[in-house]
Amino acid sequence: DAKTTQPPSMDCAEGRAANLPCNHSTISGNEYVYWYRQIHSQGPQYIIHGLKNNETNEMASLIITEDRKSSTLILPHATLRDTAVYYCIVFRTNAGNMLTFGGGTRLMVKP
Amino acid sequence: DAGVTQSPTHLIKTRGQQVTLRCSPKSGHDTVSWYQQALGQGPQFIFQYYEEEERQRGNFPDRFSGHQFPNYSSELNVNALLLGDSALYLCASSLLIADTQYFGPGTRLTVL
Repeated sequence: DAKTTQPPSMDCAEGRAANLPCNHSTISGNEYVYWYRQIHSQGPQYIIHGLKNNETNEMASLIITEDRKSSTLILPHATLRDTAVYYCIVFRTNAGNMLTFGGGTRLMVKP
Repeated sequence: DAGVTQSPTHLIKTRGQQVTLRCSPKSGHDTVSWYQQALGQGPQFIFQYYEEEERQRGNFPDRFSGHQFPNYSSELNVNALLLGDSALYLCASSLLIADTQYFGPGTRLTVL
């Protein structure tokens, strides 16, 4: 599976948009980009995933560049409860379902 | 719609003992994966069960074993516990092997 690179930490003001970047320059054509987040000592929470097109759900938006080498997770109006570690994961669904977690980005939302 | 549940929430064992952790998948899901998360690290894949068989395994010793029951629930067994086995153990379920995984709250295992 392709490796991902994320900044170790980011800050965001409450009520502002949080934009979390992820580089996955070795991604293959059949690999999806998944985002999870983990609030302290809880299980990871699925946020969103995509293959090529931009995606949006009730939690976030996922913007994938045209060459698919990077993506951005957008939380449109961050709240204090969005403070968590955010993981960007790339994997091939036809190679099983093993998620490989990297270091993630620790997002701190501040009042 | 019931989410993924795990039991127990916390567990304390001593070195050399054996432990069994339990997981019930999200309603409608048939695949269960187990992960180990050491303090300050990201989760690491242990193994995955589908149709009551181990389908994929990560880089973990044979002391780690599992089982899936006909109702899709699963157990993780760890024998001969080491101090380094202290971690948060996470269960994730999905519909079929290749679908989105949803995680449970985890079981915190402390080995003394």
